[in-house]
Amino acid sequence: NAGVTQTPKFRVLKTGQSMTLLCAQDMNHEYMYWYRQDPGMGLRLIHYSVGEGTTAKGEVPDGYNVSRLKKQNFLLGLESAAPSQTSVYFCASSPRTSGGGRIDTQYFGPGTRLTVL
Amino acid sequence: AQKVTQAQTEISVVEKEDVTLDCVYETRDTTYYLFWYKQPPSGELVFLIRRNSFDEQNEISGRYSWNFQKSTSSFNFTITASQVVDSAVYFCALSEDWTQGGSEKLVFGKGTKLTVNP
Repeated sequence: NAGVTQTPKFRVLKTGQSMTLLCAQDMNHEYMYWYRQDPGMGLRLIHYSVGEGTTAKGEVPDGYNVSRLKKQNFLLGLESAAPSQTSVYFCASSPRTSGGGRIDTQYFGPGTRLTVL
Repeated sequence: AQKVTQAQTEISVVEKEDVTLDCVYETRDTTYYLFWYKQPPSGELVFLIRRNSFDEQNEISGRYSWNFQKSTSSFNFTITASQVVDSAVYFCALSEDWTQGGSEKLVFGKGTKLTVNP
């Protein structure tokens, strides 16, 4: 049971390049999330998904797109990278408890350190 | 809007001292959840505890204890007899129950960096 994994661990991009970050979870969790962590800012939610085929915007969605084609995967895309997107990106997942309405714990991946030059 | 404030940016203590990390939150909801996560120097985020808004009992887990007070909207975290391995950034987070129409997300505080010196 690997939990939440993220690929790649590190990446350096030039301004304008595109890339996709992959998040995978093997816990059969319904919910998945992408956060970014910047110094002094804590973690901020970029996008999230409450189930396969659904996505929604978080606090800082601009410049990013996401897809959840399979329940276990949540992809984060940068179409045209900018230096402001230099950050550490965390993926998380959480189960949806039966009976609805109760938020469960979010489990985080190890993070991807992205630098945009 | 939800908000989590961790007023202590950095704390430095000597090993074996007790230390309390403060967390104050704002929410309009009656049902909500509070969390603490630890981020050691290696960078991963480690879940420590989750509490719901209906359970104000304090909790103790080994050297860790949490004090939840709805009256002051606080969820403070105390480490007793701190150790060097406790050095990390600690995040407090607030979640919102989706049944009330809120989004499924955590709002994080900016974190408190704890350094425990030998």
